[in-house]
Amino acid sequence: DIVLTQTPLSSPVTLGQPASISCRSSQSLGHSDGNTYLSWLQQRPGQPPRLLIYKISNRFSGVPDRFSGSGAGTEFTLKISRVEAEDVGIYYCMQATHFPLTFGGGTKVEIK
Amino acid sequence: QVQLVESGGGVVQPGRSLRLSCAASGFTFSSYGMHWVRQAPGKGLEWVAVISYDGSNEYYRDSVKGRFTISRDNSKNTVHLQMNSLRGDDTAVYYCAKGATILAMTNWGQGTLVTVSS
Repeated sequence: DIVLTQTPLSSPVTLGQPASISCRSSQSLGHSDGNTYLSWLQQRPGQPPRLLIYKISNRFSGVPDRFSGSGAGTEFTLKISRVEAEDVGIYYCMQATHFPLTFGGGTKVEIK
Repeated sequence: QVQLVESGGGVVQPGRSLRLSCAASGFTFSSYGMHWVRQAPGKGLEWVAVISYDGSNEYYRDSVKGRFTISRDNSKNTVHLQMNSLRGDDTAVYYCAKGATILAMTNWGQGTLVTVSS
């Protein structure tokens, strides 16, 4: 199985400041069709997950542009340009290139 | 708008069975694959199974293969998860999620809690 390792585990951030989360894969996530199926999800407290980013860097419908994704191969990053109070929660990366689909362990974003 | 509503969770003894359902609305259900993902209390997300848009293909994580079966009824816009031989480590909130050609889970239900305990 593909292992996705997220760092840091926790990220205390001052409101208005940036945050960055890393996701490292145990194998390349490049698919034979030329795409890389790495997505990012947000889970606010008490809520189901919500898709933020798909295929490394594409923002899903309704996602604010302060969220951005980048990376390739085995190294990926989610950035929040200016953290707002509503961004508190746990962020997960997920790969769908290989079965079984796997998630990273999660990174908790909290306000300092 | 897309809505996914899970049902069927509850408390069940080890070794028994439970069937979860997910009612979908707000999109052309028969055009999309559907996933089940679970989250043990206080833990991260774990993919369980996926079924293709027409039900012709199913994939499972190893730990549930042979015990869980995913199915769908496109006439009723519903996807099911039949869970047999339940174990304590199956205790979790089970979410259904809409798939997409972008191979991401674009929409999620609120989840239903399954507790396996004697």
